[in-house]
Amino acid sequence: KAGVTQTPRYLIKTRGQQVTLSCSPISGHRSVSWYQQTPGQGLQFLFEYFSETQRNKGNFPGRFSGRQFSNSRSEMNVSTLELGDSALYLCASSLDRQGTEAFFGQGTRLTVV
Amino acid sequence: GDSVTQMEGPVTLSEEAFLTINCTYTATGYPSLFWYVQYPGEGLQLLLKATKADDKGSNKGFEATYRKETTSFHLEKGSVQVSDSAVYFCALSDGSNYKLTFGKGTLLTVNP
Repeated sequence: KAGVTQTPRYLIKTRGQQVTLSCSPISGHRSVSWYQQTPGQGLQFLFEYFSETQRNKGNFPGRFSGRQFSNSRSEMNVSTLELGDSALYLCASSLDRQGTEAFFGQGTRLTVV
Repeated sequence: GDSVTQMEGPVTLSEEAFLTINCTYTATGYPSLFWYVQYPGEGLQLLLKATKADDKGSNKGFEATYRKETTSFHLEKGSVQVSDSAVYFCALSDGSNYKLTFGKGTLLTVNP
């Protein structure tokens, strides 16, 4: 079956702009999570959605937001981009059961100039 | 809060050498433990997992045992290959907060 699909794969934006990233989970998976990966901070949790509800949010400023649609697809938005937002943004989907693994997409590489 | 500590890299080995990457964790309750691998330019792939104490996860020659008494989940492989070169992440999920907590990652380079 198809894996987690993230679009676009690469983005270059200018400081102050906003950006929207998209994630399509594996069919049947209703939990979608987002992570930011940088060389300095490693992998940091952004937020998690299930059935269009945000169940947990990481320690990021309000410029980072997300949503989930009724078909489980998810988007995240970053407004007023800063140079420090340059990172690989990873989306993961999973079945909503304790101990089940998360399946990751290939990520969106965001560069802010 | 939850945390994962894994050995700093980079780790450089010759082909067929023995690999150990140490991982210890702090968590409330009984977390599930995972090893993920990331190849250059790719997302994360699950390598193996263990969901309760004394479970051994294994895949592609890699193994890790969930040790509750030492709060550890060390990754081992008896004979590494060049194709194992990647970044390895130890992670936990405690099931109550709907997120994975990752270690910093260990870069493994295997030379022929």
